[in-house]
Amino acid sequence: SAVISQKPSRDICQRGTSLTIQCQVDSQVTMMFWYRQQPGQSLTLIATANQGSEATYESGFVIDKFPISRPNLTFSTLTVSNMSPEDSSIYLCSVTHRGQGTEAFFGQGTRLTVV
Amino acid sequence: KQEVTQIPAALSVPEGENLVLNCSFTDSAIYNLQWFRQDPGKGLTSLLLIQSSQREQTSGRLNASLDKSSGRSTLYIAASQPGDSATYLCAVNQAGTALIFGKGTTLSVSS
Repeated sequence: SAVISQKPSRDICQRGTSLTIQCQVDSQVTMMFWYRQQPGQSLTLIATANQGSEATYESGFVIDKFPISRPNLTFSTLTVSNMSPEDSSIYLCSVTHRGQGTEAFFGQGTRLTVV
Repeated sequence: KQEVTQIPAALSVPEGENLVLNCSFTDSAIYNLQWFRQDPGKGLTSLLLIQSSQREQTSGRLNASLDKSSGRSTLYIAASQPGDSATYLCAVNQAGTALIFGKGTTLSVSS
């Protein structure tokens, strides 16, 4: 299993500002992902965080808006830039190892409210 | 593109009932299927993981089955309790990729 620490757990931010969310895992993992969960919706994948290289973004998400870093196998950050009220969501970090039968684990999420 | 559908969207049952949540996916070439529980405003708790070569997994009062060829999975909850009230999410992935989620089933168990 993997224990994930995600910080902050919640924040209220002014529009136009940026927030950086941290994800720390207690063991080395192969895969790290960032998801967004808008109010009343399911999880949507933002990007795959790649160690030492640029993240791989899903359609509809761009690096300028959601820059991601992953300097090593246990840590990643997601920044939500130039925030607007539409960015109000829960942001979740997920980790797994590559391969069949490998369980995915999630952090407790960051509840972001933009006012 | 993989799509995951969960039926019903919401379910209300009295305590003690056995119930079934349904999940279907459009691309049968999956690697893993995983069921999660999410309490309001919280993160996800993994319940059961089924590899594509497996047909079912059990944990306590929970049993998940997988019919890969038909693109379906069910989560069976026996003797439901008020503490089971939550949103249940089904997700699948393919080799080396992230999980794709359904929209979930919100379960309410009344005492």
